[in-house]
Amino acid sequence: AQSVTQLDSQVPVFEEAPVELRCNYSSSVSVYLFWYVQYPNQGLQLLLKYLSGSTLVKGINGFEAEFNKSQTSFHLRKPSVHISDTAEYFCAVSDYAGGTSYGKLTFGQGTILTVHP
Amino acid sequence: KAGVTQTPRYLIKTRGQQVTLSCSPISGHRSVSWYQQTPGQGLQFLFEYFSETQRNKGNFPGRFSGRQFSNSRSEMNVSTLELGDSALYLCASSWDSYAGNTIYFGEGSWLTVV
Repeated sequence: AQSVTQLDSQVPVFEEAPVELRCNYSSSVSVYLFWYVQYPNQGLQLLLKYLSGSTLVKGINGFEAEFNKSQTSFHLRKPSVHISDTAEYFCAVSDYAGGTSYGKLTFGQGTILTVHP
Repeated sequence: KAGVTQTPRYLIKTRGQQVTLSCSPISGHRSVSWYQQTPGQGLQFLFEYFSETQRNKGNFPGRFSGRQFSNSRSEMNVSTLELGDSALYLCASSWDSYAGNTIYFGEGSWLTVV
């Protein structure tokens, strides 16, 4: 079984400042890693995912994340945030034992990012 | 192309009633999964269907059920509603069940049980 821990429930930051949202996972099998964003009253939108290869993954809206296998982490970063980045961010894993996960993502508890002017 | 569509978006039910939520996946997607989102428990996997067969199920009571039709559209049903079933129910679709595929989410159905 796998689990995901998002270390900060809320992160306030000023506009144009850098931000890092932290995510650690544990799993007894190999996993793929995802970051989703949820704007108020909306569903989840994929920001980026790590499957293999380069440990630095670039996503939409200027976000990037770095996979660190030894620390079992997948932290999300953005060098300069905007007001419009205010949302809740979710880290998720899917295990790929046999290649299939049958639709199951295991999510962290979410981090609410609030960008202040 | 159209995203994952869920209906209804908002509904209020009384404790003890049942409810059916509907989901139309992205065209061509054959895997449909359902999630429950609550402030206390976060996002939890309910079940997944592929080619009309349930292939994975989360840790929910039997009151929660679902089905998938031949056109990949899916419904989930909750019987004997409890106050704790109040949640945002998210439907998601994917091309198939490969673990690395992107799973696309709908905007959800907000269920309030009173």
